[in-house]
Amino acid sequence: EAGVVQSPRYKIIEKKQPVAFWCNPISGHNTLYWYLQNLGQGPELLIRYENEEAVDDSQLPKDRFSAERLKGVDSTLKIQPAELGDSAVYLCASSLGGSSYEQYFGPGTRLTVT
Amino acid sequence: GNSVTQMEGPVTLSEEAFLTINCTYTATGYPSLFWYVQYPGEGLQLLLKATKADDKGSNKGFEATYRKETTSFHLEKGSVQVSDSAVYFCALSTGGGGNKLTFGTGTQLKVEL
Repeated sequence: EAGVVQSPRYKIIEKKQPVAFWCNPISGHNTLYWYLQNLGQGPELLIRYENEEAVDDSQLPKDRFSAERLKGVDSTLKIQPAELGDSAVYLCASSLGGSSYEQYFGPGTRLTVT
Repeated sequence: GNSVTQMEGPVTLSEEAFLTINCTYTATGYPSLFWYVQYPGEGLQLLLKATKADDKGSNKGFEATYRKETTSFHLEKGSVQVSDSAVYFCALSTGGGGNKLTFGTGTQLKVEL
């Protein structure tokens, strides 16, 4: 069974440019998460989807970040415009759903903003 | 709010040494507790979990016991191997494993021959 797929694995952009990250969850997983992991820190939740609905986006900086999960399968996280402080690893995770299922993480996208 | 504190790394051990990585937490309600491991270049993997007080989670020789009285979930292994070298994250969730996870800062473990 394929795991959570993320692309690209690495991205280098100049500040003020837009950037997008893509995530394909494990087949059949209804819940999808985007986490931000700064260097030397643990991941922090940005947004959680149950199928197509964003049920927790309280930590998403909505002035520059947006996310979508059309059709309740894969998801895209966008930053526009990027700032130097956005340099981090963006992790996607998925789970079967509900409150008692393990979260499976992808390898992450490492973003460097110059 | 919820928070997790774990010991700073890196922790460097010789192969076959005993490992302890300390983790304490602050949470409202009764959290579930987790240890995740991140090998170089890979995503986080669930190592073990415990969902109520006095539960012991175990996997691959690693163990951790949910101690409500000391709000702790320390990770232990009796004999580490070079292949255990990774970053270990303690985490909690107040809604089971499917809801928001609150992570500690991670502890890097290096095991040498």
